[in-house]
Amino acid sequence: HEQLVESGGGLVKSGGSLRLSCGASGFTFSDDYLNWIRQAPGKGLEWIAYISGSGNSLSYTDSVTGRFTISRDNAKKSLFLQMNGLRAEDTAVYYCARGVDPYCRGGNCYSFNLWGQGTMVTVSS
Amino acid sequence: DIQMTQSPSSLSASVGDRVAITCRASQSISKYLNWYQQKPGKAPRVVIYAVSNLQHGVPSRFSGSGSGTDFTLNISSLQPEDFATYYCQQSHTTPYTFGQGTTLEIK
Repeated sequence: HEQLVESGGGLVKSGGSLRLSCGASGFTFSDDYLNWIRQAPGKGLEWIAYISGSGNSLSYTDSVTGRFTISRDNAKKSLFLQMNGLRAEDTAVYYCARGVDPYCRGGNCYSFNLWGQGTMVTVSS
Repeated sequence: DIQMTQSPSSLSASVGDRVAITCRASQSISKYLNWYQQKPGKAPRVVIYAVSNLQHGVPSRFSGSGSGTDFTLNISSLQPEDFATYYCQQSHTTPYTFGQGTTLEIK
C-alpha cells in the first residue's frame, strides 16, 4: 500500500523556522519526483517546490525561493522541507505529493498521483 | 506563470445530473492538464491526468477532454460521493499552477 505521511507542523512565530518531514512506504521512492504543495485555510492549492529522485534537480515557486529548502534522504525514504523566515502568509496545510516527472513517457507521471494527509503550519504575527 | 481559470466557481446539482467544469490556461499546455477532487478536511486525489486519462480506481462517469488552452471535466450521473471541490492543474511548466477550484454542491 503506497503511502506518504507528513509530520513536523505546528505553531511558530513570524520570522521563525520549522522543518517538515514526509515518510514514504509501499513504493520505490528513489525513482520519484516529490513535491510540497500547500493550502491556506479556505483557499486553493499552491505548488511550492519539487525535487528529483536523485536530489540533483530542484525547483521552487518565487514566494518561497531563498527561504525554503527541499531535500530528501532516499535511504530513509524521507522528504523534507526546511522553512526559514516564516511569514503569516505561509500559514497553510502542507502536503507532500509524488509526481510530476518532466520526462514522463506514459502512465500517471503527469500529475501529483499520491498525496499525504497534510500537516498544519501556523505562523503567528 | 501560467494562469489557470476555472468556471464556474460553484455549481449546484442533483444526484443523477450531468455536469461540466471548464478550465482555461493562459497559454497552450498541450496534454499537461490534470483534474483533482478534494473533500473537506482531506487531501486532494487525482481523478483525470493528461487531459483524458482516468486514474485507476476512479469511476468511469468521470471524463476529461480538451487541448491547448481549453479543457473540460465531465461527470455523468452524479453520485452523492461526487460532491466536492474540483481543481484543474497544469504540469507543463513550473511553477505548476492550479485553478481556483469549483465547488460542486447538492441542490
